[in-house]
Amino acid sequence: QSALTQPASVSGSPGQSISISCTGTVNDIGGYNSVSWYQQHPGKAPKLVISDVTNRPSGVSSRFSGSKSGNTASLAISGLQAEDEADYYCCSNTISNTVVFGGGTRVTVL
Amino acid sequence: QVQLVQSGAEVKRPGGASVKLSCRTSGYIFTNYKITWVRQAPGQSLEWMGWISADTRDTDYAQNFQGRVTMTTDTSARTAYMELRSLTSDDTARYYCARQWGLHSFDPWGQGSLVTVSS
Repeated sequence: QSALTQPASVSGSPGQSISISCTGTVNDIGGYNSVSWYQQHPGKAPKLVISDVTNRPSGVSSRFSGSKSGNTASLAISGLQAEDEADYYCCSNTISNTVVFGGGTRVTVL
Repeated sequence: QVQLVQSGAEVKRPGGASVKLSCRTSGYIFTNYKITWVRQAPGQSLEWMGWISADTRDTDYAQNFQGRVTMTTDTSARTAYMELRSLTSDDTARYYCARQWGLHSFDPWGQGSLVTVSS
C-alpha cells in the first residue's frame, strides 16, 4: 500500500492560516470517513490532533480543523503560532484493512 | 493521566538477530483498548506495523511484517510487547507504541524505543 501524498513543506507567517492536503484513492481516504492527523515536533513522539476527519481530541487547540472531499483530506491551522512549527502526518485505513500514513509535511512559521 | 512508557534503546547485529520491546501502560483500563505499533526510520515518515487487542489478544499485522513480528500482552503487568525477528539494517528505526481507539486514532504515544541494527 503506497503512502498517502502530502506536500513536503508548507509555510506561513504568524497569525496566518495554512492548509495541508493529503491525497489518497477510493481505496483509502475516499472510501471511509476515517482520516486522522498527527503533529510531531523534532525529537518527540507524534500527537493526535484530528480524528475521524473532523474531530478534535480534548486539549487540542480549536485553531486546528479537518475536512475531506473525495479522495483528499485537509488539515487547516488558523492563527498560526510558533509552536505549530512541526511535521504533520495524515493517516487512513484502507480497503485491505490496514493503516497507511502520508509522507509528512514540514510546517514552517516564518 | 494516561501514560505509555517504552523500554530503552537496543543495538543489534544484522543476520538473524531479534529484538523484543516493551510498552508499559498506566492511567486507564488496559483491556478496553488496542495497542498499536508504529516505526519511524531516521528522517522518514511513520509506518504502521500492527495492533493487538489487550482484551482478546487478537492481532492484525501489516503485510510488510507478516511472519517476522509478534505482538503480545501481559494483562497483569499492563504491558504490551513487540518482537521483530531477522533484523537487517533497514529495521533501524524508532519504534513507538500507542493506545488505539477507533480505526486508527492513536493517542497517546509512548516516547519510542530506538533500535539500531549495525555490524
